[in-house]
Amino acid sequence: DQQVKQNSPSLSVQEGRISILNCDYTNSMFDYFLWYKKYPAEGPTFLISISSIKDKNEDGRFTVFLNKSAKHLSLHIVPSQPGDSAVYFCAASMIPIQGAQKLVFGQGTRLTINP
Amino acid sequence: KAGVTQTPRYLIKTRGQQVTLSCSPISGHRSVSWYQQTPGQGLQFLFEYFSETQRNKGNFPGRFSGRQFSNSRSEMNVSTLELGDSALYLCASSLQAGSYGYTFGSGTRLTVV
Repeated sequence: DQQVKQNSPSLSVQEGRISILNCDYTNSMFDYFLWYKKYPAEGPTFLISISSIKDKNEDGRFTVFLNKSAKHLSLHIVPSQPGDSAVYFCAASMIPIQGAQKLVFGQGTRLTINP
Repeated sequence: KAGVTQTPRYLIKTRGQQVTLSCSPISGHRSVSWYQQTPGQGLQFLFEYFSETQRNKGNFPGRFSGRQFSNSRSEMNVSTLELGDSALYLCASSLQAGSYGYTFGSGTRLTVV
C-alpha cells in the first residue's frame, strides 16, 4: 500500500520556467512533509519541509504548498535552472512516538530542465 | 565535517549468500536509519537505531537485520540473498531519534546475481 504517491515518474521543463512537482498521500495522520532531491550516485539531500499547521513554506526559489483536505502537496521551483535536474522525492512523517521516526517516501519524479 | 559514510559503495553477491553493509554517521549523530531504494518503489524504510537500540522497523522480512554500536556506527545484514534484494541501500543519520534533520549517505549499490 503506497501511502505517499508521486504519479509523475518524469517531468521536463524549460529553463527559466516554473517546475511543479506533485505528491499525494493517503494517511491523514501524517503531519510533516519533506522534499528531497537526489543526484545520481549521491544520497538524497533535504530541500524543504512543511508542517501540517501551515499551507505554504517558501525558501528562495522553492515553495511547498500543502492542501490537507485534498491530501496533496506540491513543490514549485521558480525559475527552474539546469542544476535542478534531479530526482525529487516527497516524504511524509507522523509525530515520532518514543523518539522513533520513519519517513514514508514517494516513488520519485525525475525532473529534467532543458536549456 | 565528514558526512555519512557508507561502505562498500558497490557490491555483487550471489543468490543465497549474505551481505553486511556499513554506515558511519556524522560525528555526534546518534540516530541511524536505513532505507532501500528500488526503481518504482522509491525509498522504503528498513529500520532506525538510536543508542544501540532499534526504535522502529519497516515491513521487511527477518532476513534483513541491523545493529548499532556504541560509537553510533551501524551495520545492516541481509541473509539468504534473493534477486529482488538488488537495490541501493541508503543510510541516514540525525542528531537524535525523532529528529527530522536527516543526512543521507551516498548508499551501497547491491547487485544480486
